Amino acid sequence: DGGITQSPKYLFRKEGQNVTLSCEQNLNHDAMYWYRQDPGQGLRLIYYSQIVNDFQKGDIAEGYSVSREKKESFPLTVTSAQKNPTAFYLCASSRETSGRARWIYNEQFFGPGTRLTVL
Amino acid sequence: QKEVEQNSGPLSVPEGAIASLNCTYSDRGSQSFFWYRQYSGKSPELIMFIYSNGDKEDGRFTAQLNKASQYVSLLIRDSQPSDSATYLCAVNILTGNQFYFGTGTSLTVIP
Repeated sequence: DGGITQSPKYLFRKEGQNVTLSCEQNLNHDAMYWYRQDPGQGLRLIYYSQIVNDFQKGDIAEGYSVSREKKESFPLTVTSAQKNPTAFYLCASSRETSGRARWIYNEQFFGPGTRLTVL
Repeated sequence: QKEVEQNSGPLSVPEGAIASLNCTYSDRGSQSFFWYRQYSGKSPELIMFIYSNGDKEDGRFTAQLNKASQYVSLLIRDSQPSDSATYLCAVNILTGNQFYFGTGTSLTVIP
């Protein structure tokens, strides 16, 4: 079955620690995204990548870093510079459609999420 | 500014009734439109998408799109308690391949 996996499901971080959240997809999608969701709020974009070895900052990139060395993988590191990291982190993927006139729609699919708590 | 607006609710309907969820968007370049269902503590699940004006039906769900009015809605017929969740509206602009989300509408179906 094709899908997106995230690990771990729950993660606890001590003050001053960096932690890395894993995201893997086997949907053959070029584009991958990281969102943060706080209780009762919508999704906020952290980073996105449209192709391997390239990524862009989203709306709330400060205190986070990513890499995209493989098409299937887009890990997110929450650094100690992120002052309020407790949240639900969602990874998503989609086809890459920029500049491709033949696409008339695109869909984005989500992984199960990682819930990060700062101790 | 690409905005997607939804009524936050909560919306409560009795079991068996029609639930109507609404969404407006600001960018006329938006090309495809999505409804996600999110249960508490879970990730969003895509339940409907639409990209042409008019209605699209899938089982008890109907998505309606009016690009002239920049409006998209989701109707849930014969609402069930299992439909109780937060529903997120999202739009996609193919150029740049960005997705923009509303803050969600909380729906409760009362048995």
